[in-house]
Amino acid sequence: KAGVTQTPRYLIKTRGQQVTLSCSPISGHRSVSWYQQTPGQGLQFLFEYFSETQRNKGNFPGRFSGRQFSNSRSEMNVSTLELGDSALYLCASSLDGTGFDEQFFGPGTRLTVL
Amino acid sequence: AQSVTQLDSQVPVFEEAPVELRCNYSSSVSVYLFWYVQYPNQGLQLLLKYLSGSTLVKGINGFEAEFNKSQTSFHLRKPSVHISDTAEYFCAVSDRKLIFGTGTRLQVFP
Repeated sequence: KAGVTQTPRYLIKTRGQQVTLSCSPISGHRSVSWYQQTPGQGLQFLFEYFSETQRNKGNFPGRFSGRQFSNSRSEMNVSTLELGDSALYLCASSLDGTGFDEQFFGPGTRLTVL
Repeated sequence: AQSVTQLDSQVPVFEEAPVELRCNYSSSVSVYLFWYVQYPNQGLQLLLKYLSGSTLVKGINGFEAEFNKSQTSFHLRKPSVHISDTAEYFCAVSDRKLIFGTGTRLQVFP
């Protein structure tokens, strides 16, 4: 069974631009979560989607948004990029996101904002 | 709110020595606890999880952890480490989303 895939793996943008990251979950998984990993703040939860609906949201500004498609693939978008948005963005999928089912992580997208 | 604290940011150890990575949690409700490992330039991989039942949990790669409710701890142990265990280890609690600790860098020396 293929794992969670994320594209692109690396991205360089400049301040003020916007970016879209993509995540394909494991086949059959309906929950997709996004996390931001930085050296200063560690791993922080962004949001979770289940059956095309945002079910849970972390404490990030509105510049961070996401969506999920009917095939469970998910995208996250960051508008008006800031230097502090430079991070590794990790996507995780699980069967139903109940809290105790295992989340499988992708390799991440490393975003650098110049 | 639930939280986890990883008490050591770095743990250096020689190959074949035992290791313990410490994690304390804060939760007022039933708790689901996880340990993840992150190798360089990779995502997170689940080592083991505690949902309920036996307090000693065995995971992959020879790791195990013990859930201690009275101490609110979930320390990760391995009796004999390998060079390949060098990585970042994260303790996490689930509150429908994963809340991670700050991570412990395990450095195994030959």
